[in-house]
Amino acid sequence: DAGVTQSPTHLIKTRGQQVTLRCSPKSGHDTVSWYQQALGQGPQFIFQYYEEEERQRGNFPDRFSGHQFPNYSSELNVNALLLGDSALYLCASSARWGPKSTEAFFGQGTRLTVV
Amino acid sequence: AQKVTQAQTEISVVEKEDVTLDCVYETRDTTYYLFWYKQPPSGELVFLIRRNSFDEQNEISGRYSWNFQKSTSSFNFTITASQVVDSAVYFCALSVLMDSSYKLIFGSGTRLLVRP
Repeated sequence: DAGVTQSPTHLIKTRGQQVTLRCSPKSGHDTVSWYQQALGQGPQFIFQYYEEEERQRGNFPDRFSGHQFPNYSSELNVNALLLGDSALYLCASSARWGPKSTEAFFGQGTRLTVV
Repeated sequence: AQKVTQAQTEISVVEKEDVTLDCVYETRDTTYYLFWYKQPPSGELVFLIRRNSFDEQNEISGRYSWNFQKSTSSFNFTITASQVVDSAVYFCALSVLMDSSYKLIFGSGTRLLVRP
């Protein structure tokens, strides 16, 4: 049973560019959440997708957008990259309903460096 | 507002010592969940434990144990007889139901270094 997979693992972009990160959830999970983890800090919630719609959003600007596909996989898009967007981006999957709806499983993350 | 505080930024111990990682949380919700995650250098967050707000029983899993005290809003994590492989960053997190879904609110993490 594959866990949560993210691609790419590392990425270097230039300020002002756009980037797309991808996530495939754990089998049986239908909800995907994205988190940003700056160096030396805890992960910060960006947004969550369920049934191909954004359900919750953290305190992030509109430059951060996402998408969920019918197979539950998800993309995180960041436009007009800033140096401050350099971070580890983590994807977490979970089941929307049921006794394990609070359990989130994380991928290995995508480390984005903006230069 | 919800908040998680991990006051210990970094802890260094010698192998076989016991170590306790502190976690204090804030929430006005009566139903919530608390978690501990381990983050090795590879970056992936590894789930260690989940407790709900109605279950204050302490839990032990091998060398790991957790002490949940609602009276002090704390959920501390103890590693007994630490090993070098325990070296990692440990995060405490709080989850509450918002808009029909859960999201995790993390503390800033405690970096544990276990020296041989």
